[in-house]
Amino acid sequence: DVKVTQSSRYLVKRTGEKVFLECVQDMDHENMFWYRQDPGLGLRLIYFSYDVKMKEKGDIPEGYSVSREKKERFSLILESASTNQTSMYLCASRADTGGRTEAFFGQGTRLTVV
Amino acid sequence: LAKTTQPISMDSYEGQEVNITCSHNNIATNDYITWYQQFPSQGPRFIIQGYKTKVTNEVASLFIPADRKSSTLSLPRVSLSDTAVYYCLVEGSNYQLIWGAGTKLIIKP
Repeated sequence: DVKVTQSSRYLVKRTGEKVFLECVQDMDHENMFWYRQDPGLGLRLIYFSYDVKMKEKGDIPEGYSVSREKKERFSLILESASTNQTSMYLCASRADTGGRTEAFFGQGTRLTVV
Repeated sequence: LAKTTQPISMDSYEGQEVNITCSHNNIATNDYITWYQQFPSQGPRFIIQGYKTKVTNEVASLFIPADRKSSTLSLPRVSLSDTAVYYCLVEGSNYQLIWGAGTKLIIKP
């Protein structure tokens, strides 16, 4: 079974803290994605990566950065957490076969910034 | 850029066929349509993907008319366990991902 594992299910952080969300996949997928999910807004893409050390901005990158030093790991970084970053964060991975392939999602990290 | 619009919620009864339609008027020639299912406290899970006409797998069918401006996910004979949020995704080349806001489907006994 494909597995995408996010390091935490729930996190509570204080405003101004630097926050790391970790995601690991075990299927040797080239592509990895970070989304945030808010009620009524669906999934919004923050960043994605199509290869090690490569990253591209998604629709809402402001206030976030990412790191992909190894193929299996994709980290989302909140440089200085703010209350408007309270959300559910979802990591996904998929193979790069030249077409639109199935994405596999982690369980999500519910982040609360107080 | 394609925008996807789907109903906020729907309900139905066990044993019925459920059809959820997604509108994507500005879909581009190379865009694909994918549907995902999400249960509470879980990440979305792939259901089905198509480009045109009809695609069927063991859990659902996807109908896409010739103009491709909409698509309909069809769930045959639903059960209580099909209660979930269903997302429509239009995906273009170069990682253009346009997600709908999701349709909350409630199945009643």
